[in-house]
Amino acid sequence: DAKTTQPPSMDCAEGRAANLPCNHSTISGNEYVYWYRQIHSQGPQYIIHGLKNNETNEMASLIITEDRKSSTLILPHATLRDTAVYYCIVRPPRGSQGNLIFGKGTKLSVKP
Amino acid sequence: KAGVTQTPRYLIKTRGQQVTLSCSPISGHRSVSWYQQTPGQGLQFLFEYFSETQRNKGNFPGRFSGRQFSNSRSEMNVSTLELGDSALYLCASSLAFWSDYGYTFGSGTRLTVV
Repeated sequence: DAKTTQPPSMDCAEGRAANLPCNHSTISGNEYVYWYRQIHSQGPQYIIHGLKNNETNEMASLIITEDRKSSTLILPHATLRDTAVYYCIVRPPRGSQGNLIFGKGTKLSVKP
Repeated sequence: KAGVTQTPRYLIKTRGQQVTLSCSPISGHRSVSWYQQTPGQGLQFLFEYFSETQRNKGNFPGRFSGRQFSNSRSEMNVSTLELGDSALYLCASSLAFWSDYGYTFGSGTRLTVV
């Protein structure tokens, strides 16, 4: 089962920052937090991942709390093309059964 | 460069039949994973292949099997199809097994079992 809890849906105005929260209170010290998104009718797309430090790439920023029990994905300037289901994933240690364990995700709707 | 290619895009099969789905990874990628996506269960991991060997497996019955060829292309087979096998089957590739830097997914094969 997924070890994460995300709100089922969120809205964001175009051009504004989208902040997507994720709770993972049972995360272990060697488990990474990954974010993927799935645009309708496409396969999931990798966004970003991190262990305990904040991370940033060309798509997004990932903020992980100091106790690692929650994280936030930030899309700094959301566009209509960012409308998708966003999945927060706690990845088990290398070699564990299973790999990326997807939960229900958050459906983000970016509105004009 | 070309992405992950899955064929066919759509497939309709009858209960009891078997089906084979194909996945061509990104050039240079040696790991291929398979996932099943249904409205009820969401995205579920099936298995991952690297260097022609299954390295990891999810909780699916033995009717679901796969293989990987020396050129890294992979096939997934489902035997004795059931109505509940109707789903979007997604393939993902990466440079190595248990890649740290994300997997690239294809657009999937939508299987309908009637």
